[in-house]
Amino acid sequence: AQKITQTQPGMFVQEKEAVTLDCTYDTSDPSYGLFWYKQPSSGEMIFLIYQGSYDQQNATEGRYSLNFQKARKSANLVISASQLGDSAMYFCAMREGLRRANFGNEKLTFGTGTRLTIIP
Amino acid sequence: DAGVIQSPRHEVTEMGQEVTLRCKPISGHNSLFWYRQTMMRGLELLIYFNNNVPIDDSGMPEDRFSAKMPNASFSTLKIQPSEPRDSAVYFCASSSSLLPRQEILRQPQHFGDGTRLSIL
Repeated sequence: AQKITQTQPGMFVQEKEAVTLDCTYDTSDPSYGLFWYKQPSSGEMIFLIYQGSYDQQNATEGRYSLNFQKARKSANLVISASQLGDSAMYFCAMREGLRRANFGNEKLTFGTGTRLTIIP
Repeated sequence: DAGVIQSPRHEVTEMGQEVTLRCKPISGHNSLFWYRQTMMRGLELLIYFNNNVPIDDSGMPEDRFSAKMPNASFSTLKIQPSEPRDSAVYFCASSSSLLPRQEILRQPQHFGDGTRLSIL
């Protein structure tokens, strides 16, 4: 079973509109973290925002916010007032809780990504 | 601050040749990750190190791939002999686990710019 599912392979959004990128996850671990990364056409992977499973509030970072619905196991990324520079691939990733004493679960599991295109 | 540094940025070589990719993690980070990104398979974790020790190499495709981390500031990923199906973008990422456990959970991985590898 996929641990991270991004069901939108591509999206087209008009500039200045808000956009929601979907991410659902699967874990039985009560402690986990969810990350969003942006990959522009230049290829680098840029960390955007983090949400912890025990965080009381939805994460926000500038124009980025997370719509975290724990019962539904979804962590959708919302970009407000989209800009042309937001055109990129967006990846959702999860790190499950650290069960071993010192290390072992630091790795991230990535979704397949959503290609977002902002239309002028 | 310097980010994760990878070299070379691009590599084109003929099949059968040995390829060595290099990575310098962010100073102070003690976890290092090698990923491969292709259109077909997305972003795959190949191997990761903690304190220079390989922790999980289950993603290494086959014996032609090997990775080393001789010290805290340097890692290599080697392919010998290379094959056309190894063509991909290879990323190195680093993070820190020298933190309380709950802080480790929220640490993003910081990616290098990647090496675009083409095997002819």
